[in-house]
This record gives sequence, structure tokens and C-alpha cells, in this order.
Amino acid sequence: RKEVEQDPGPFNVPEGATVAFNCTYSNSASQSFFWYRQDCRKEPKLLMSVYSSGNEDGRFTAQLNRASQYISLLIRDSKLSDSATYLCVVNSQDASKIIFGSGTRLSIRP
Amino acid sequence: GAGVSQSPSNKVTEKGKDVELRCDPISGHTALYWYRQSLGQGLEFLIYFQGNSAPDKSGLPSDRFSAERTGGSVSTLTIQRTQQEDSAVYLCASSRVETHTGELFFGEGSRLTVL
Repeated sequence: RKEVEQDPGPFNVPEGATVAFNCTYSNSASQSFFWYRQDCRKEPKLLMSVYSSGNEDGRFTAQLNRASQYISLLIRDSKLSDSATYLCVVNSQDASKIIFGSGTRLSIRP
Repeated sequence: GAGVSQSPSNKVTEKGKDVELRCDPISGHTALYWYRQSLGQGLEFLIYFQGNSAPDKSGLPSDRFSAERTGGSVSTLTIQRTQQEDSAVYLCASSRVETHTGELFFGEGSRLTVL
């Protein structure tokens, strides 16, 4: 089983729609969680950290469920510019690693 | 510059040749990571440098791969006797936080093509 698993997609949704995707992680000792965004042929960039209580940044909401070991990303009122691959990232203190998921591809259509 | 700098941006080489990829992290960032990404795939961890500690080499796929970081700054990833399956984008990232809780800043990557 992969340490971090994501649905690869692609998710193809119309502009203005709400879209959500999840990511599961296998190491219960994981301490820190992030969503990164990667545009085509570009490097990944941090989108947002994921806090235990859940957090929101504009149209983006991230949530963490430690009991079920998954994190989620919700995008409201999607824009064409949201089209990208979204990478789930998990840090594990004891394993001393930062693990990237394979990414979920999102395509927003006009 | 302000960001992570990698060179070369593109490298085409023949099977069996050695290549060196360079990463210049953000000034003051003590943590440095190398990842590789094959076309359409996720990021594969290769190696991690943290300050003066021994690097975590657990992700290196074979002994043809090696990396060093001189003076706690610039890092070089070396691939000896390249194979076609080594073709990928090699991404370097740095972080000012050593405990894997900080944001990673990536360079634009070095795209390696082995013919």
C-alpha cells in the first residue's frame, strides 16, 4: 500500500462548480499535512497547510480526519485557473520523510 | 536570486554517460531535498540533506545515484552510467525548517532525457 494515496482523476467540472477530493495516508504518526498545486510542466507550490481543526483560505477548504487517516480539499466556485494537479503531502516526524501523493488532476471547463 | 535555482534546465545524454545536476537552494535554508518526477507521475523522494547531519539516502534507486552538498549550500546529484529509465524531471527543494514541518520551495527542475 502506498503511504499517501490519491484518486488520480481527472476531475472534469464546469466553471463555478464545487469539487472535492480526498487523500488517505497510512502512517498514523504523521504530524503535518499539506496540499500543493502543480501546474503542467511546472514545479509544485504550496497551496495550503491542513490543520487539525480544518482551515479555509478563500474558496479553498482543507480538512483533516485523523481517525480515518484522510485529508480533503474542497474548492468552491471553481475558476478556469484552478485547473492543475493537486498533490497531497504528508510529513512524518518519526519516519523523517515528506511524502507526496501522485496527485489528482483537475480540469475546469468553461 | 530569491528562489531555488537548478541547472541545467534540460539535459539530453546518451545511455551510459554520467550526468551532474546542480541545485542552489534559497539562502539560509538548511534542509534540501531531491525528488524526481516521471511523465504523468508523482514525486519520488531521492535524498534529503539536513544541516551537518548525515543525509537520508533511502530514496536513491540504485548505487548509480549519488548526491553531495558542499558547505551546507549547493547540492549536486550525480547519475552514473545513465539508463533510459532515468529520464525524468529532477526537482530540488529547500526549506528553512529542519523538522519536515515547513513549506518546501521547489526549483523549476532539470529535465533529463537519456537516449
